[in-house]
Amino acid sequence: QVQLVESGGAVVQPGGSLRLSCAASGFTFSVYNMHWVRQAPGKGLEWVASIRFDGSDKYYTDSVKGRFTISRDNSKNTVYLQMISLRAEDTAVYYCAKPPYSSVWSYYFDSWGQGTLVTVSS
Amino acid sequence: EIVMAQSPATLSVSPGERATLSCRASQSVSDNLAWYQQRPGQAPRLLIYGASTRATGVPARFSGSGSGTEFTLTISSLQSEDFAVYYCQQYNNWPPWTFGQGTKVEIK
Repeated sequence: QVQLVESGGAVVQPGGSLRLSCAASGFTFSVYNMHWVRQAPGKGLEWVASIRFDGSDKYYTDSVKGRFTISRDNSKNTVYLQMISLRAEDTAVYYCAKPPYSSVWSYYFDSWGQGTLVTVSS
Repeated sequence: EIVMAQSPATLSVSPGERATLSCRASQSVSDNLAWYQQRPGQAPRLLIYGASTRATGVPARFSGSGSGTEFTLTISSLQSEDFAVYYCQQYNNWPPWTFGQGTKVEIK
């Protein structure tokens, strides 16, 4: 069955950096676009970033452009989210998510990881 | 960017009663609308996609309807495990993929 396991969350000071990982199993990772979605404490869901199955296209929400970088290593079945210049408003649980079909964008997210908590605080 | 608006923010319902949740898009999303359930401390779970198709394993008491800009999620007879937060999401126009702010279904 599909498994998505996020890691790398931590407490970090404002201006700091962090790299999140999402290890995938149970499906052919290399043909699926992948997404990161976050949820601030007590708040709703917010899409953050997406990467095409081959890494050739990447999309970001406006508030993280220039600060976050999504990448993937298909040989390790892992998608990453490199975060720099972190702000208090980046504090959230970060989920990785996959669509139901390979190499397509216009779909919902049928599988989610359990999330990893990033806290930006001094 | 398509803005998704859910109402009400909180819905108080007694077990066994019917719950009706609304989601409105700022412009047409056709039927490219999904609903998710999120229980406390858990990841979101896909309930409905294509506005009205139940995901695998979702009980028949959950139903979705609507197209264009107006959508509804109905839970016909609330069970204890259904008390949670529900989010709608459009995937018609991207990026960004956008979510509503959520409706919390609580025990009355």
